[in-house]
Amino acid sequence: QAGLTQPPSVSKGLRQTATLTCTGNSDNVGNQGAAWLQQHQGHPPKLLCYRNNNRPSGISERFSTSRSGNTASLTITGLQPEDEADYYCSAWDNSLSAWVFGGGTKLTVL
Amino acid sequence: QVQLQESGPGLVKPSQTLSLTCTVSGASITSGSYYWNWIRQPAGKGLEWIGRIYTSGSTNYNPSLKSRVTISVDTSKNQFSLNLTSVTAADTAVFYCARGSRSSDLDYWGQGTLVTVSS
Repeated sequence: QAGLTQPPSVSKGLRQTATLTCTGNSDNVGNQGAAWLQQHQGHPPKLLCYRNNNRPSGISERFSTSRSGNTASLTITGLQPEDEADYYCSAWDNSLSAWVFGGGTKLTVL
Repeated sequence: QVQLQESGPGLVKPSQTLSLTCTVSGASITSGSYYWNWIRQPAGKGLEWIGRIYTSGSTNYNPSLKSRVTISVDTSKNQFSLNLTSVTAADTAVFYCARGSRSSDLDYWGQGTLVTVSS
């Protein structure tokens, strides 16, 4: 069972902006933020954004993150066909001493 | 460029022990303040963190799996391993190994290996 809550699916049009949310609690998202991963079908997850809202080298500026309280958000601007994927948030839970993941959001680019 | 590669049997019988190894290349497993993780993903489902190990040997496990999981490290081989005991069909999944750190989160992942639990 996922420790963080994500909407199962989001659909947006080409070149539009999508915002994906991830809700946790004060032991995880509210404490250190959430990292975001992108997973295309048949491939391993790929880190998109660190918990500190920075991006790893090579990740497009179209991906940005923010946090408000116990909810983290991933915003993708100028949606492209290759952005169609599953997106997972992850956070370290201080209470569990464990990484917890969201159930994932399937992003469809229309 | 750090690379991780999972290896191990693709088929395990129910009640037996699932054993996987992750080989790290491109960097020493002992360099930096990194820890080494196992994560699994049943077909069509989300990610589940199994546990992590520091090269000091310190470990943390998912509370829901703790009684069945052991993660170990072999620094001489630049590898770390997973043992999951008493497996059932519910343990069938793609298993990933990944590098982690306080500052760079879970930044490098292996390609994953499918393990099926079936008689």
